Amino acid sequence: QSVLTQPPSVSGAPGQRVTISCTGSSSNIGAGYDVHWYQQLPGTAPKLLIYGNSNRPSGVPDRFSGSKSGTSASLAITGLQAEDEADYYCQSYDSSLSGRWVFGGGTKLTVL
Amino acid sequence: EVQLVESGGGLVKPGGSLRLSCAASGFTFSSYSMNWVRQAPGKGLEWVSSISSSSSYIYYADSVKGRFTISRDNAKNSLYLQMNSLRAEDTAVYYCARCASSTSCYVDYWGQGTLVTVSS
Repeated sequence: QSVLTQPPSVSGAPGQRVTISCTGSSSNIGAGYDVHWYQQLPGTAPKLLIYGNSNRPSGVPDRFSGSKSGTSASLAITGLQAEDEADYYCQSYDSSLSGRWVFGGGTKLTVL
Repeated sequence: EVQLVESGGGLVKPGGSLRLSCAASGFTFSSYSMNWVRQAPGKGLEWVSSISSSSSYIYYADSVKGRFTISRDNAKNSLYLQMNSLRAEDTAVYYCARCASSTSCYVDYWGQGTLVTVSS
């Protein structure tokens, strides 16, 4: 069980907007540490989607956006496309963990 | 082009040992913190271990502390993970991953992964 909680699954129709939440605590997101997001397509390594809460690496469409407030963060995807169907993970730093860095449990996005 | 290529995975019996390697190229390896991240079959990502650029700072997840040892050789542009006392729950794909920033570690490059299977 990760210290960062994500919904196991979300879904949406093509063209719609979906959001994925990442809920932490005062030792990670609430302490002001950055949240990062990754997309993992089946059978491939994860890909960086959002870094530093809301920044997109070069090449990531602006349909993807991130935000953070209090002890939570969110990933929003607008104009859903079939190719967005994947697993999404949030990641942050946790001062209470010996390993320091932690991933959320992951969210499976299904495009209906 | 940045490349991270893992090797050393395979089938090992419970209690056995394995050493993973990651060969880095396309960037100044000695300037970046590096990590091992694993993913059990059908499960999510788990941060395993991190090592700073000069090996001054090393961290382990509680699940592997005392059994795994991370190391690096900056002269050989290589990252290693020595895994001892392996358990069935260590079965996973192990990814070599580069921290993009020294202040806020997020992974900008991943290897393709190497599969470790612990089974009798």
